[in-house]
Amino acid sequence: NAGVTQTPKFQVLKTGQSMTLQCAQDMNHEYMSWYRQDPGMGLRLIHYSVGAGITDQGEVPNGYNVSRSTTEDFPLRLLSAAPSQTSVYFCASSSRRGEQYFGPGTRLTVT
Amino acid sequence: KQEVTQIPAALSVPEGENLVLNCSFTDSAIYNLQWFRQDPGKGLTSLLLIQSSQREQTSGRLNASLDKSSGRSTLYIAASQPGDSATYLCAVNRDDYKLSFGAGTTVTVRA
Repeated sequence: NAGVTQTPKFQVLKTGQSMTLQCAQDMNHEYMSWYRQDPGMGLRLIHYSVGAGITDQGEVPNGYNVSRSTTEDFPLRLLSAAPSQTSVYFCASSSRRGEQYFGPGTRLTVT
Repeated sequence: KQEVTQIPAALSVPEGENLVLNCSFTDSAIYNLQWFRQDPGKGLTSLLLIQSSQREQTSGRLNASLDKSSGRSTLYIAASQPGDSATYLCAVNRDDYKLSFGAGTTVTVRA
């Protein structure tokens, strides 16, 4: 049971490039979410999904897209990277009793 | 909007002392509250989950209390050890699984 896995661990992008952050969980959780963590700002919700085929926006969705074709996977796409998207990105999944499990994070730098 | 505050922002104690970490939130209509630990450069590890119907939850040296009416939770760590040095995050869950995080308390336990 690997829990929540994320790839890559580190990524450097140039402004304007696009990329996809991968997230997978093997706990059969319906609810998954993406957060970003910035110094002094705490963790903020980007997008979330309550099941395959269903996604919605969180607090800071601009510049990001998500899709959920399977229960296991919830990728986050950066359409055109900007320096303001330099951050640490965490994926999480939630059990039915509401306990959330986080992945190890992806450190993204946009130059 | 749910606001979550953690005080103090940083705490340094000698080994063996008990730790008291505070979390306050503005909206008492919560589903549950979760305490996490985060080591530098790492992801979030779930410590304790308290459902809204519970007053406290215990795991080993950790005890968390919840007072919904006053919008407060306290995490107690007994007999602190240097390995307890980390940032502790409080997160409040509305009934839609979206977490609102505090900024965290960074703990240093001196040997």
